[in-house]
Amino acid sequence: DTGVSQDPRHKITKRGQNVTFRCDPISEHNRLYWYRQTLGQGPEFLTYFQNEAQLEKSRLLSDRFSAERPKGSFSTLEIQRTEQGDSAMYLCASSLALWAEAFFGQGTRLTVV
Amino acid sequence: GESVGLHLPTLSVQEGDNSIINCAYSNSASDYFIWYKQESGKGPQFIIDIRSNMDKRQGQRVTVLLNKTVKHLSLQIAATQPGDSAVYFCAENSGGTYKYIFGTGTRLKVLA
Repeated sequence: DTGVSQDPRHKITKRGQNVTFRCDPISEHNRLYWYRQTLGQGPEFLTYFQNEAQLEKSRLLSDRFSAERPKGSFSTLEIQRTEQGDSAMYLCASSLALWAEAFFGQGTRLTVV
Repeated sequence: GESVGLHLPTLSVQEGDNSIINCAYSNSASDYFIWYKQESGKGPQFIIDIRSNMDKRQGQRVTVLLNKTVKHLSLQIAATQPGDSAVYFCAENSGGTYKYIFGTGTRLKVLA
């Protein structure tokens, strides 16, 4: 296992379109996180899964955003009716336990035009 | 709201010198802290972590110091190298929540 994998690396979409990103965590990690990062800022927490259960969601995750982790392995993040303000780097991370380091993927850079 | 912030947005150091990157946190309930390094176009890379029951932890060329009294965290990099040039983030996690809260970051520039 080479780490957390995210696909695609880059996505350009027109405003109003839906997009979906995928994250494959490190195989034995049951904890998975989604973060959003804009230029010059630190990552902002979006949501957290423990196995297939979504246990925490940020207020940043509007009703246009939905995340799933159906079998407790990979996860998807969908953004419906994209807006220019959604342009950012979307990062996925996984960890083995609480108080354990979270390993990040390379991110998906979304540009909404 | 709770926040983690950094004192200096940009730090320039000569190659071979030691670097110190500082971080202030506001949540006194935070009990776990991580330093991440992020290079341009890449995801954050774990450097070192520390639990709140410790005040110092050392890794390879890096040391993290935690002062809970003043809610301050620092990352020391010994003999800074050009490959250390990146943005450094501190992140905190408070018991009972799952999320890691990140600060804005400090850009470290290593001068040849």
